[in-house]
Amino acid sequence: KAGVTQTPRYLIKTRGQQVTLSCSPISGHRSVSWYQQTPGQGLQFLFEYFSETQRNKGNFPGRFSGRQFSNSRSEMNVSTLELGDSALYLCASSSGPGQLDGEKLFFGSGTQLSVL
Amino acid sequence: AQTVTQSQPEMSVQEAETVTLSCTYDTSESDYYLFWYKQPPSRQMILVIRQEAYKQQNATENRFSVNFQKAAKSFSLKISDSQLGDAAMYFCAYGAPNSGYALNFGKGTSLLVTP
Repeated sequence: KAGVTQTPRYLIKTRGQQVTLSCSPISGHRSVSWYQQTPGQGLQFLFEYFSETQRNKGNFPGRFSGRQFSNSRSEMNVSTLELGDSALYLCASSSGPGQLDGEKLFFGSGTQLSVL
Repeated sequence: AQTVTQSQPEMSVQEAETVTLSCTYDTSESDYYLFWYKQPPSRQMILVIRQEAYKQQNATENRFSVNFQKAAKSFSLKISDSQLGDAAMYFCAYGAPNSGYALNFGKGTSLLVTP
């Protein structure tokens, strides 16, 4: 069974540009979460989708957005990139509404975004 | 807001020895879950162990066990018989139904395993 796939693995952008990151969850998983990881702030929750609906959003500006498609694949978009958006963006999936119900959360290897 | 604190930025252990990683958290919730995740150089977060707050018994997974002290809001991870493959960043995380399945992570502890 394939794991959580994130593309691309690495991305270099310049300030002001926008970027779209993709996440394909494990087959059959309906919940997808996104996290930002930086050396300074650590891991921070961005948002979570279940069956195409955003159920929860972290404390990030509106430049950060996401969506989930009917096949559970998810994308996140960052518009008007800033230097501080440089980070590892991790996607995670689970089979049900959330791992707190006993289901395991599986993470991808992330997309490393560098903003110059 | 719930906070998770890992006070040890780096730890070192010799192969076959035991090491304990510390984690404290702050919450006013009664229903919550605690986790330890491992992040090797591949960057993929891997669940090591989880603990439900309502369970008094400490969770164990093979060589990994936790010491969950609910009143003290402490959740330490013990790794027994350390192996070279245990070298990684370890993150303590907190989640609660009232936080909508979002995990709050500590800043991590880098574990070095020496031969």
